[in-house]
Amino acid sequence: DSGVTQTPKHLITATGQRVTLRCSPRSGDLSVYWYQQSLDQGLQFLIQYYNGEERAKGNILERFSAQQFPDLHSELNLSSLELGDSALYFCASSPGTNRPDTQYFGPGTRLTVL
Amino acid sequence: GNSVTQMEGPVTLSEEAFLTINCTYTATGYPSLFWYVQYPGEGLQLLLKATKADDKGSNKGFEATYRKETTSFHLEKGSVQVSDSAVYFCALTQHSNSGYALNFGKGTSLLVTP
Repeated sequence: DSGVTQTPKHLITATGQRVTLRCSPRSGDLSVYWYQQSLDQGLQFLIQYYNGEERAKGNILERFSAQQFPDLHSELNLSSLELGDSALYFCASSPGTNRPDTQYFGPGTRLTVL
Repeated sequence: GNSVTQMEGPVTLSEEAFLTINCTYTATGYPSLFWYVQYPGEGLQLLLKATKADDKGSNKGFEATYRKETTSFHLEKGSVQVSDSAVYFCALTQHSNSGYALNFGKGTSLLVTP
């Protein structure tokens, strides 16, 4: 158990809909990273938050957004969903931001868009 | 930009066989290197890491040595078990426009048979 929790575990929805994925980092960690795992793209970094502020962006679509709340949990919002958004979404947490800390991953949310 | 290349799988071995999974990277300077493992239906778990050249990471019988001269971080285990069946990801982190986000290889699936 990494100490990172993600909910829900599975999500099935239709094209055009909007969903919210939730992540709680390990106790004491201030950074949260979001990654997408798909068969064709592999594991790709989406976005990072540190202590409530956006710190880095990767290959995140404009239809996707995220935020980190004062209690440090984070939410990833996916809107206008397309079939190609079906994937496993992981969050990871680490203590800091401007250093190569080990990232600890949650169990993931499997999103299926029908 | 930074990238990680892993050997294609799947790799199938008999129990107690020797395992090598090759990983090479492209990066400037000295990235930190990681091996993560993903068991079926689960999230990613850190297996081992190395943060500077010639460092050897080790855990659960697995080892990998950070080789700057060959830009490699090959994963080895002397005697695999059925329980080692999983997907193994090589990854690096180095400061970039994506902060310290992890850059993953495509993963190598390992199946160990009794």
